[in-house]
Amino acid sequence: KAGVTQTPRYLIKTRGQQVTLSCSPISGHRSVSWYQQTPGQGLQFLFEYFSETQRNKGNFPGRFSGRQFSNSRSEMNVSTLELGDSALYLCASSYHTGSTGELFFGEGSRLTVL
Amino acid sequence: GQQLNQSPQSMFIQEGEDVSMNCTSSSIFNTWLWYKQDPGEGPVLLIALYKAGELTSNGRLTAQFGITRKDSFLNISASIPSDVGIYFCAGQRPLGDSSYKLIFGSGTRLLVRP
Repeated sequence: KAGVTQTPRYLIKTRGQQVTLSCSPISGHRSVSWYQQTPGQGLQFLFEYFSETQRNKGNFPGRFSGRQFSNSRSEMNVSTLELGDSALYLCASSYHTGSTGELFFGEGSRLTVL
Repeated sequence: GQQLNQSPQSMFIQEGEDVSMNCTSSSIFNTWLWYKQDPGEGPVLLIALYKAGELTSNGRLTAQFGITRKDSFLNISASIPSDVGIYFCAGQRPLGDSSYKLIFGSGTRLLVRP
């Protein structure tokens, strides 16, 4: 079965702009989680969606938001970009609401903010 | 906030050597997981552990769930060049409202010299 698909793979933005990243989970998976990965901070949890509802949220400012559609696809948005938002954004899906911790990750969207 | 202490941060070893890495926490987890991230890819689940004391193998990989539920280790035997990557531990526990908290360690970067 097809894996988790993230688009775009790479993008460059400037400070103050906003960005939307997309994630298509594995078919049948209803939970989608988003993580930010940076060299200094490792994998930081952003939020989790299950059946179109946000189930859990990490410690990120309100500029970071997300949503999930009825087909389980998810998007995350970052508004008013800052240099420190440069990172690899990873999406992960699972069948249940992350109850087992067994996540299937996409290849990520690498965001560079100039 | 809650953290996992993963060590070592990096290892540079000779092909054929055995490798050991571990994660510790001040908190108890119900599940311990080990992921590997290849360059340019998202993390992939290697081993999941669900019971204290559990010892599980996956090929040349062996992981254990510490009996205190506050630690876990991963061993790789007879390393090969394709073992190169970043290894992450992750601990999970329920939050009491049917949601779960999954925390990742900072990663162990493994380099293998042929």
